[in-house]
Amino acid sequence: QKEVEQDPGPLSVPEGAIVSLNCTYSNSAFQYFMWYRQYSRKGPELLMYTYSSGNKEDGRFTAQVDKSSKYISLFIRDSQPSDSATYLCAMKTSYDKVIFGPGTSLSVIP
Amino acid sequence: GAGVSQSPRYKVAKRGQDVALRCDPISGHVSLFWYQQALGQGPEFLTYFQNEAQLDKSGLPSDRFFAERPEGSVSTLKIQRTQQEDSAVYLCASSLARVGDWRTEAFFGQGTRLTVV
Repeated sequence: QKEVEQDPGPLSVPEGAIVSLNCTYSNSAFQYFMWYRQYSRKGPELLMYTYSSGNKEDGRFTAQVDKSSKYISLFIRDSQPSDSATYLCAMKTSYDKVIFGPGTSLSVIP
Repeated sequence: GAGVSQSPRYKVAKRGQDVALRCDPISGHVSLFWYQQALGQGPEFLTYFQNEAQLDKSGLPSDRFFAERPEGSVSTLKIQRTQQEDSAVYLCASSLARVGDWRTEAFFGQGTRLTVV
């Protein structure tokens, strides 16, 4: 079993839809949780960074962490075609080594 | 430079050939990471440097893989006797943070796409 699991998709939604992306993990030592966005043939870029359980909102993006269930989510409101990318969840312990999920491919159709 | 720069962007190697991949981190960034990303997968950790010290190389898949950062800035990932399973995108990332500083944001380069034929 991989440390971080994520539905690879692909996920296709109409413009304006609410998108829900999810990851589960097995290592209870993970404390810091991130979401990265990766466009085709580009490196990942950090979208959200949270610590411990709870919600964090940034514009159209909301990250949720439930450490008791070992489950994290990213919600995208009013999705735009420019949101079409692969979304990678990532997490780490207190050390800098980041463990990534396999990524979910998202297409937002105009 | 403005971001993490990797070269070459694309590399085609014949099986058995040695390759060297270069990473220029953001100026002043202490931490440097190498990741391997297979097609359709998330990045997999290879190794980590803090300045010139290689603090973690637990992700290097075999002794054919070697990384160095001799002056604490530019880093090179070397793969000896390349095999087809080495075909992947190799990503470099750098950050200001030191070990234990959770406020890390790692900035990624665009990667080097290695194809072994």
